[in-house]
Amino acid sequence: AQKITQTQPGMFVQEKEAVTLDCTYDTSDPSYGLFWYKQPSSGEMIFLIYQGSYDQQNATEGRYSLNFQKARKSANLVISASQLGDSAMYFCAMRVGSSASKIIFGSGTRLSIRP
Amino acid sequence: EAQVTQNPRYLITVTGKKLTVTCSQNMNHEYMSWYRQDPGLGLRQIYYSMNVEVTDKGDVPEGYKVSRKEKRNFPLILESPSPNQTSLYFCASSLGRTSYNEQFFGPGTRLTVL
Repeated sequence: AQKITQTQPGMFVQEKEAVTLDCTYDTSDPSYGLFWYKQPSSGEMIFLIYQGSYDQQNATEGRYSLNFQKARKSANLVISASQLGDSAMYFCAMRVGSSASKIIFGSGTRLSIRP
Repeated sequence: EAQVTQNPRYLITVTGKKLTVTCSQNMNHEYMSWYRQDPGLGLRQIYYSMNVEVTDKGDVPEGYKVSRKEKRNFPLILESPSPNQTSLYFCASSLGRTSYNEQFFGPGTRLTVL
């Protein structure tokens, strides 16, 4: 069965520190995409970063990078130099297959940045 | 501005009273989807549509209906709402349905069923 697991319900991090949010996935399909979304307290879903299963390099977008370890089926989000505005819920998601019709989300991690 | 819109944003209703949540996108996206978000469960897919007149069930379709008569619109229908459908609902769209297509989300609809 296809599944996304986020094992950290909540995290506290000091401002300016780096933080890693864990995500493991399970699929037998060789073609898939992994996504991270941010949901601030205002409720909207904001796309952060994408990693394809065939991508040779880890994805990066500004302060966000994705630590993709295919053999371990993990796709952890790394936020460098955290800011107060990074406080939010973070969701890992997966689209699987050539007709990637179904999309699966993890249960999320609530990140709180301490000043 | 490219966007996904949902209406209403907030709705309080009573058990059994049919309701429709509208969703519209102006990006000419093929793929559209509905999710519900509940604490501790993340987002769960209710229904999705890969194009006009093509819809299919997600993981939690019971109690919901959808239609896709036009490319831009994908309404969610609750024929007889029940309290366990109290949730935050998101509509999303993507250009295509391949594994690399990111989704664009609407602002969400908070539904309370009494």
